Amino acid sequence: DGGITQSPKYLFRKEGQNVTLSCEQNLNHDAMYWYRQDPGQGLRLIYYSQIVNDFQKGDIAEGYSVSREKKESFPLTVTSAQKNPTAFYLCASMPGQNRNEKLFFGSGTQLSVL
Amino acid sequence: AQSVTQLGSHVSVSEGALVLLRCNYSSSVPPYLFWYVQYPNQGLQLLLKYTSAATLVKGINGFEAEFKKSETSFHLTKPSAHMSDAAEYFCALMRSGAGSYQLTFGKGTKLSVIP
Repeated sequence: DGGITQSPKYLFRKEGQNVTLSCEQNLNHDAMYWYRQDPGQGLRLIYYSQIVNDFQKGDIAEGYSVSREKKESFPLTVTSAQKNPTAFYLCASMPGQNRNEKLFFGSGTQLSVL
Repeated sequence: AQSVTQLGSHVSVSEGALVLLRCNYSSSVPPYLFWYVQYPNQGLQLLLKYTSAATLVKGINGFEAEFKKSETSFHLTKPSAHMSDAAEYFCALMRSGAGSYQLTFGKGTKLSVIP
């Protein structure tokens, strides 16, 4: 089945540690996105990528980094510079060609600080 | 700036009652608007979308939404609530710029259905 796979489902970070969240899609979509979800805050855009080897900062990129070396993969690293990393992280993808297309979402990773 | 505002972070309805979830948008260009639903600890699923065709949009699970330009609104309704409708609902607007598209979300409305 085609879809988006996020792993792990739960992740714990120690102080000063970088952690990487995985996002893989087999939908052959060009565009991929990372969102952060906090209770009562909705979803906020961290980074997005329209094509391989290119990505742009979203609204809350500080303390995060990404790469897009392959079309199907868009990992997110939460660095030690992100002082409040506890949140639910959602990866999404879209074919990327038209404004009326829907986003397909993964099932999310819950990141907590030890 | 393009944005959406959802009125009411929590809405409670009785089973069988009308569901009304409110969304207002701000956009300098004709907007493309979406409603998504999220069940606990899961990703989001598309309920319906408005893309400048019919102003009344029908979606999955009996939901529909009406685009009203004069009121800059895109409220979500369902005539009769089911227990399975309990979830969090997000209104969203597709922004575009520099050849790319990004979805901007409202803060969400959590719907509770009382038996």
